Amino acid sequence: GEDVEQSLFLSVREGDSSVINCTYTDSSSTYLYWYKQEPGAGLQLLTYIFSNMDMKQDQRLTVLLNKKDKHLSLRIADTQTGDSAIYFCAESSTGGYNKLIFGAGTRLAVHP
Amino acid sequence: DGGITQSPKYLFRKEGQNVTLSCEQNLNHDAMYWYRQDPGQGLRLIYYSQIVNDFQKGDIAEGYSVSREKKESFPLTVTSAQKNPTAFYLCASNPGRGNEQFFGPGTRLTVL
Repeated sequence: GEDVEQSLFLSVREGDSSVINCTYTDSSSTYLYWYKQEPGAGLQLLTYIFSNMDMKQDQRLTVLLNKKDKHLSLRIADTQTGDSAIYFCAESSTGGYNKLIFGAGTRLAVHP
Repeated sequence: DGGITQSPKYLFRKEGQNVTLSCEQNLNHDAMYWYRQDPGQGLRLIYYSQIVNDFQKGDIAEGYSVSREKKESFPLTVTSAQKNPTAFYLCASNPGRGNEQFFGPGTRLTVL
């Protein structure tokens, strides 16, 4: 069945770049998403990418998609302490109208 | 302000009691969703509704029930049949045509 996998933890120094990786199994995935969750809060959409794109950049965020390897990454440039959160990768084959399949989330810790 | 509200933020119940979690949205979205989040795991879909008076089971619907009598409301009842109800519950909505799911702030349910 459909599955999304992420590493559970990432620790970076403030000012460095963070790269969070995700792999998925559904070859029919049309949209891939990155959500951010701060402690005790709901999820906030950071960015998403269509499966026919290789890259998407939005300010400090860069999303790379390798469709052949079913690999998605999120790069955060100049990581700040406010970026500390859990980051979820999710995929949907029908564009968000039906269910999203989420990874377990990567906890990003930013230290001085 | 448009958005999704969930109430209460924290909920405590005794084992064996049914409890209803509220989810309201004023975004005029057609689709609404309920997810469950457990520590170290991604979000798992409980139920979703694409239109008023219609809803479908998600991956973990056993022990839960929903209703969709109004477009803006999608309450979730956690019944006594749910074996392990203590979790963080997230409600989301989607306009039906777009790709993004908007999330509420969540309700943390603890069953004593």
